[in-house]
Amino acid sequence: GQNIDQPTEMTATEGAIVQINCTYQTSGFNGLFWYQQHAGEAPTFLSYNVLDGLEEKGRFSSFLSRSKGYSYLLLKELQMKDSASYLCAVMDSNYQLIWGAGTKLIIKP
Amino acid sequence: IAGITQAPTSQILAAGRRMTLRCTQDMRHNAMYWYRQDLGLGLRLIHYSNTAGTTGKGEVPDGYSVSRANTDDFPLTLASAVPSQTSVYFCASSDSQDTDTQYFGPGTRLTVL
Repeated sequence: GQNIDQPTEMTATEGAIVQINCTYQTSGFNGLFWYQQHAGEAPTFLSYNVLDGLEEKGRFSSFLSRSKGYSYLLLKELQMKDSASYLCAVMDSNYQLIWGAGTKLIIKP
Repeated sequence: IAGITQAPTSQILAAGRRMTLRCTQDMRHNAMYWYRQDLGLGLRLIHYSNTAGTTGKGEVPDGYSVSRANTDDFPLTLASAVPSQTSVYFCASSDSQDTDTQYFGPGTRLTVL
């Protein structure tokens, strides 16, 4: 079966750096997405990786290793507004997104 | 309208009743999707449409139906609601079915009693 694993919850301190990991086993691979979802709101797009390596976008970076079935989202200079759930999703061979359950990130002052 | 809208925002429904959740996008996206989100689970695809006039089944289609009469609208119907359909429902759209980013509507919180 298809599976996306990410930690349920993480805690970090304002101003620090946090890395959220995602491992996947899917039938085919057509890219990996990270979304941010604040409580009670819709998911919003953060990043897309299809090739191995690091993609940097401001305070957020996303890394992919296709051979290891592994990705991480790196958040730098954490702000209180970064408190949210972070969703990892893989596009399979049928071009359907398979979603992880999300990682709830708690930022403490 | 800017982006994707959904209606209603929330609804409490008696079991056995019929309900249609509405979704409209103004981005002229070809592909549209319906997901449900339940606590502790990832988003699960209910139905999708790659282009107007076509629809397909996702991971959890039972008890739901959709139609895509035009590019902008993609309603989701529960013919006879059951308590297990209590969930938050998100509509999304993308320019095409492939690797294009999906954009989400604000969601509908549905409670079936």
